[in-house]
Amino acid sequence: DQQVKQNSPSLSVQEGRISILNCDYTNSMFDYFLWYKKYPAEGPTFLISISSIKDKNEDGRFTVFLNKSAKHLSLHIVPSQPGDSAVYFCAGSSRPDGLTFGKGTHLIIQP
Amino acid sequence: DAGVTQSPTHLIKTRGQQVTLRCSPKSGHDTVSWYQQALGQGPQFIFQYYEEEERQRGNFPDRFSGHQFPNYSSELNVNALLLGDSALYLCASSLVDREGTQYFGPGTRLLVL
Repeated sequence: DQQVKQNSPSLSVQEGRISILNCDYTNSMFDYFLWYKKYPAEGPTFLISISSIKDKNEDGRFTVFLNKSAKHLSLHIVPSQPGDSAVYFCAGSSRPDGLTFGKGTHLIIQP
Repeated sequence: DAGVTQSPTHLIKTRGQQVTLRCSPKSGHDTVSWYQQALGQGPQFIFQYYEEEERQRGNFPDRFSGHQFPNYSSELNVNALLLGDSALYLCASSLVDREGTQYFGPGTRLLVL
């Protein structure tokens, strides 16, 4: 029973274009959603989060959109850069529980 | 400002043995959570410690236990190791009631033979 689903195991995008990573969830109790980025041999690095009462949060090149009615969120990266190549994890948070992660999407930025 | 640190970085054990992993949280953080990440999967929540008490637990057997010390550092203990316990073990720290934003360490890779 996956509460957080990332249905695309990998995504390839050209440098300079927009990268859109998608995430679906089933748990209505999540009060925060987070995106993490992970390089090999490193722990996940926090990127951006959004409260369940908002529909958009922006931080530099990263924007997260939340559609509560569809139980769907997405991460937009504009413009995509080579250093963005990594595995991206979507996670839901419901206090006091720990984070519930998806399986990740491997983003590959092509020159 | 030191981030989350974990030791050791790698560990090899045999089935039936016991292992202890260690974590020091980011400076100023008081809550430590542990996660297990199997190959090709996202991290799975094991448990969380605050004020030296286990605050919440995920769907892991009692073979997995932990401890938090007065300086907020934490240990994860796994008894009677199984082959399936081979994974990357991640520690994350945060401030209590702001667990939404957790900062992760580099992890300890455990291999059980």
